[in-house]
Amino acid sequence: NAGVTQTPKFRVLKTGQSMTLLCAQDMNHEYMYWYRQDPGMGLRLIHYSVGEGTTAKGEVPDGYNVSRLKKQNFLLGLESAAPSQTSVYFCASSYGTDIGSYNEQFFGPGTRLTVL
Amino acid sequence: RKEVEQDPGPFNVPEGATVAFNCTYSNSASQSFFWYRQDCRKEPKLLMSVYSSGNEDGRFTAQLNRASQYISLLIRDSKLSDSATYLCVVGATDSWGKLQFGAGTQVVVTP
Repeated sequence: NAGVTQTPKFRVLKTGQSMTLLCAQDMNHEYMYWYRQDPGMGLRLIHYSVGEGTTAKGEVPDGYNVSRLKKQNFLLGLESAAPSQTSVYFCASSYGTDIGSYNEQFFGPGTRLTVL
Repeated sequence: RKEVEQDPGPFNVPEGATVAFNCTYSNSASQSFFWYRQDCRKEPKLLMSVYSSGNEDGRFTAQLNRASQYISLLIRDSKLSDSATYLCVVGATDSWGKLQFGAGTQVVVTP
């Protein structure tokens, strides 16, 4: 099993350009997440999904959109990139669970994005 | 104020020594607690869950203090391979699905 994979691994964008980050998991997980990690701030949740066809906003959703058309894939889009979106982006997935409890999240290797 | 706070370190630890550090959380509705490990420029990986009664996993011991709202991690007999950043992670019943991550505590084990 590949676990959680992310493409691309690195990307440099100019301000105003758009791009899509792809996350794929082969563990049949219901839940998927997109985080960004910046120095000194820890991981911050951008958007998440509790199942195919559903998405929800996290802590820092502005400037990003997501889609979960297939259970195994979770896409993160930047419509008009800004320098403030320079960060490391991690995707994660986990088993579904009852409300109020949490299962282990499995992370992808990350995408390092620089916006000039 | 951050919901999960950690001492960033670094904690410089001689090989074979014991190191311990805490993490405080502000949401009283928190009920799930974890320690994740993150190596430099890599993805986080679950180290251990933290249970109310405290729990051990080999050389690692985690404790939870609900009254004071902190969790701790103790590493005994430190190995060079324990050098990493340790992330405190908290899940709350009033914000289901949204784990809160601390910024991490860096541990450097030296020969």
